[in-house]
Amino acid sequence: KNEVEQSPQNLTAQEGEFITINCSYSVGISALHWLQQHPGGGIVSLFMLSSGKKKHGRLIATINIQEKHSSLHITASHPRDSAVYICAVRSSGGSNYKLTFGKGTLLTVNP
Amino acid sequence: DAGVTQSPTHLIKTRGQQVTLRCSPKSGHDTVSWYQQALGQGPQFIFQYYEEEERQRGNFPDRFSGHQFPNYSSELNVNALLLGDSALYLCASSQQGRVQYFGPGTRLTVT
Repeated sequence: KNEVEQSPQNLTAQEGEFITINCSYSVGISALHWLQQHPGGGIVSLFMLSSGKKKHGRLIATINIQEKHSSLHITASHPRDSAVYICAVRSSGGSNYKLTFGKGTLLTVNP
Repeated sequence: DAGVTQSPTHLIKTRGQQVTLRCSPKSGHDTVSWYQQALGQGPQFIFQYYEEEERQRGNFPDRFSGHQFPNYSSELNVNALLLGDSALYLCASSQQGRVQYFGPGTRLTVT
């Protein structure tokens, strides 16, 4: 079992829909990242969070440390939101610096 | 301010050859991490460099080596290339454990 699991693997939505992508992890963490990857490879960091909730525009990220679970929400989705969304965690421990990634969720938003 | 840059963008090599990939971090960043992303998978951590030293390494063979220069730029070297080394190689920079900023990646094809 991977340390970081995402669901769903693929998601198709109509423009305007509310979208939720889930991430579960099995280790203690110091931080969780949500990343966006467009075709061609470039990765953009959306959020880094260790507790609670963060909001940026139409994107909202939440984390429940006790349940080892995070969600990424997109309100009023738009075709330009189509991308792969990746969850990554940094395990807790002073000498650990690496990020462990989920396999990603491919989001397609149709007009 | 230029973000993280990587060169080359694409590269085709033959099995058994050696390759060097380059990364220039975002201004003000002192830490560089390298990741390998196979098609359809999340990135896998290769290693991280800080203060010109390899600070942490993932589960990659010794054929993968790196270097960080005094100006914080970094190189990833892969010797004795295998077909399975074909992937997108991502560089990410950060400042002391803060948010990692990713470069556009180098797509390596081994034939």
